[in-house]
Amino acid sequence: KQEVTQIPAALSVPEGENLVLNCSFTDSAIYNLQWFRQDPGKGLTSLLLIQSSQREQTSGRLNASLDKSSGRSTLYIAASQPGDSATYLCAVLYGNNRLAFGKGNQVVVIP
Amino acid sequence: GAVVSQHPSWVICKSGTSVKIECRSLDFQATTMFWYRQFPKQSLMLMATSNEGSKATYEQGVEKDKFLINHASLTLSTLTVTSAHPEDSSFYICSALTSSGRYEQYFGPGTRLTVT
Repeated sequence: KQEVTQIPAALSVPEGENLVLNCSFTDSAIYNLQWFRQDPGKGLTSLLLIQSSQREQTSGRLNASLDKSSGRSTLYIAASQPGDSATYLCAVLYGNNRLAFGKGNQVVVIP
Repeated sequence: GAVVSQHPSWVICKSGTSVKIECRSLDFQATTMFWYRQFPKQSLMLMATSNEGSKATYEQGVEKDKFLINHASLTLSTLTVTSAHPEDSSFYICSALTSSGRYEQYFGPGTRLTVT
């Protein structure tokens, strides 16, 4: 069974600092890994998707890396802003199109 | 592109009644849709996989007679919570799988169900 762990569960950073969010998964046989953002009481917004053959993806201030063999991914958010405050979810697609989620990194950016 | 809608966005019902939640892919066809539930401060848990024209596949521990799933067309899947109880109160989110080769799931905005 695929298990996804996200560390830290919660963190607060002052505005302008870089954010580093970690995700690990137990089974390296994945099709892709996706990072989502979820605001309180809202649905999911897809941020980045990394195919299993890729090492990283970038979009604006966001960069996500994938080391499939070690079962790890890291999401970097540069120069954090108060609007980045949210819960960030990591998910891996494996098996019969199953998507396994971590519990999320709850981020607060302090102005 | 790749927009998924859910209706209703929130619903309050009395214990013992049934509630239907719709999930639609607006600009693409989805042979496979997924239903998740999320409790407060918890992650998303897959409930079932819905395939157009066939029976849904339920995850272990999910009662198929309580959570009825119908995927009648390539753009619509419905989840009916039958004889709802307060413990069924949760955030239900659907997703639709594209066939673009990226195997990416697009998520609906979610439905907040409160059973009183």
